[in-house]
Amino acid sequence: GQQVQQSPASLVLQEGENAELQCNFSTSLNSMQWFYQRPGGSLVSLFYNPSGTKHSGRLTSTTVIKERRSSLHISSSQTTDSGTYLCALERRDSNYQLIWGSGTKLIIKP
Amino acid sequence: GPKVLQIPSHQIIDMGQMVTLNCDPVSNHLYFYWYKQILGQQMEFLVNFYNGKVMEKSKLFKDQFSVERPDGSYFTLKIQPTALEDSAVYFCASSLKGSSYEQYFGPGTRLTVL
Repeated sequence: GQQVQQSPASLVLQEGENAELQCNFSTSLNSMQWFYQRPGGSLVSLFYNPSGTKHSGRLTSTTVIKERRSSLHISSSQTTDSGTYLCALERRDSNYQLIWGSGTKLIIKP
Repeated sequence: GPKVLQIPSHQIIDMGQMVTLNCDPVSNHLYFYWYKQILGQQMEFLVNFYNGKVMEKSKLFKDQFSVERPDGSYFTLKIQPTALEDSAVYFCASSLKGSSYEQYFGPGTRLTVL
């Protein structure tokens, strides 16, 4: 089955609301990365977060290894936050390859 | 932050032709990767490369695919011959070391095979 599952698959919010995106994994990991994928396809690295909590502006990432989950929180969402958010993990027994979730498509309405 | 460049950004070729995708990784990085994303689908690992050798490749890395980094120049992905199902965006990434190091991604090359 899927080793990395993202939820929800899509999320529609009003501008100003907070967004909570989840990434659950069924394997032990060495690292976790979060990306924003622009509508044109290019990737923006948001966090490299193998464990614990990291902040960057309105974004917060929390990875809890024991619970096999990582989350991305966006506070006070803006229309420019719209796009697809991807999580990717490096599995412990792999040769450094990243295994990707299928993404959360976020739409922020004005 | 560190930047990975990819050339070209778009490439359109006829089925059966050869194509080379070029990646300029972060200058002091030692590990290199290619990922493939078909339009609307999940990103998938293709291959990784270290010290002049392929370390691991996925089942998507067909016999028609090859990678190399001659003399520390571009890290390249060559497809010969191309097939329709090779149409996708190909992302290159690099990392300083292997395990537990952040991978930095290029902007991708959109390959269209006609």
